[in-house]
Amino acid sequence: DAKTTQPPSMDCAEGRAANLPCNHSTISGNEYVYWYRQIHSQGPQYIIHGLKNNETNEMASLIITEDRKSSTLILPHATLRDTAVYYCIVRVVQGAQKLVFGQGTRLTINP
Amino acid sequence: DAGITQSPRHKVTETGTPVTLRCHQTENHRYMYWYRQDPGHGLRLIHYSYGVKDTDKGEVSDGYSVSRSKTEDFLLTLESATSSQTSVYFCAISDPGQTNTEAFFGQGTRLTVV
Repeated sequence: DAKTTQPPSMDCAEGRAANLPCNHSTISGNEYVYWYRQIHSQGPQYIIHGLKNNETNEMASLIITEDRKSSTLILPHATLRDTAVYYCIVRVVQGAQKLVFGQGTRLTINP
Repeated sequence: DAGITQSPRHKVTETGTPVTLRCHQTENHRYMYWYRQDPGHGLRLIHYSYGVKDTDKGEVSDGYSVSRSKTEDFLLTLESATSSQTSVYFCAISDPGQTNTEAFFGQGTRLTVV
């Protein structure tokens, strides 16, 4: 699975859009970009995933560059409850989801 | 929340004793996983299962064994617990669909080996 690079921490004001970047320059053609988050000490929670087109769901939007070497997770209107560690993971979609978690980005939403 | 229950949620045990952690799912998902998380680290895969009686090692499998005799249960055993196995353990499940392939995680078991 391709390696990802994320900033260790970010801050965002409540109500503003939080944009979390991820670099995955060695991503393969059949690998998807997945985002999970972990709030405090709870189990990680799936957010969104995509291959090459931009994706949006009720939680977030995922923007993947045309060359697929980087992506951005967007939380459109961040709330205090979005404070968490966000993990960007790349892997194939089929088979076992043997996720490789890096250090992630610790996002703090400030009031 | 996906139907995943981990038990116990907290356990303190002595070095050298055997410990078994249980993960129970009600989703009938094919894959089940055990991860550990240590302070300042992301989760690391210990073992996973791709079906009843079918298991494989993950990144940090030394000192751990697993068993899956039923679809819904995945057991993680520490044969002789050591202080280095003090950690938070997470169970996860997933299904090999074409689109919804995300993993769902349990709430974790905090294990302390003294």
